[in-house]
Amino acid sequence: QSVLTQPPSVSGAPGQRVTISCTGSSSNIGAGYDVHWYQQLPGTAPKLLIYGNSNRPSGVPDRFSGSKSGTSASLAITGLQAEDEADYYCQSYDSSLSGLYVFGTGTKVTVL
Amino acid sequence: EVQLVESGGGLVQPGGSLRLSCAASGFTFSSYWMSWVRQAPGKGLEWVANIKQDGSEKYYVDSVKGRFTISRDNAKNSLYLQMNSLRAEDTAVYYCARDHYHGGYSAYWGQGTLVTVSS
Repeated sequence: QSVLTQPPSVSGAPGQRVTISCTGSSSNIGAGYDVHWYQQLPGTAPKLLIYGNSNRPSGVPDRFSGSKSGTSASLAITGLQAEDEADYYCQSYDSSLSGLYVFGTGTKVTVL
Repeated sequence: EVQLVESGGGLVQPGGSLRLSCAASGFTFSSYWMSWVRQAPGKGLEWVANIKQDGSEKYYVDSVKGRFTISRDNAKNSLYLQMNSLRAEDTAVYYCARDHYHGGYSAYWGQGTLVTVSS
């Protein structure tokens, strides 16, 4: 079961800004562990989008940005484009016994 | 170019076994922690297990402890997942992933292999 909570869906018109929240607890995000974000296009493997809370791998557009505060993190997409329609997952490390790596519940981004 | 190619998935009956393989290329395999992550049909991602560079440390999600075993062969640049006592809830696409560091992110993923547990 996921221990990081995300909204099931967000939507926006092309060019708009959308944000996705990722809420954890004192055993993961709140403990100071980094948050990472992945984009999963339909029928494909996840792709690393943001690492270390706010860093973009080479090739990821600067329309994507990440932040972290307390027990939560956020992914923002500015200038929304049709190709951004995908599922997005946050991920962190958890110090509890249930598992080392924890993923968020996932958010479907729809471009209207 | 980093490549991870999974194989070994298929249809298996409840209680059965299956061994997944992941062939790695394009990087020094023996230098990285490696993980298995799965995704049930229409569901989210779930980390399953990971293994240290030399195989001396292995970690598992609670739901597979005692049933799944992760291993690696650095000479063959290969990662494995031995799955025993399979249950319907193990049905998923299984991805092999390269960890950037233990407890960190996975920068590279394979295309996945589908495991279906059904009678």
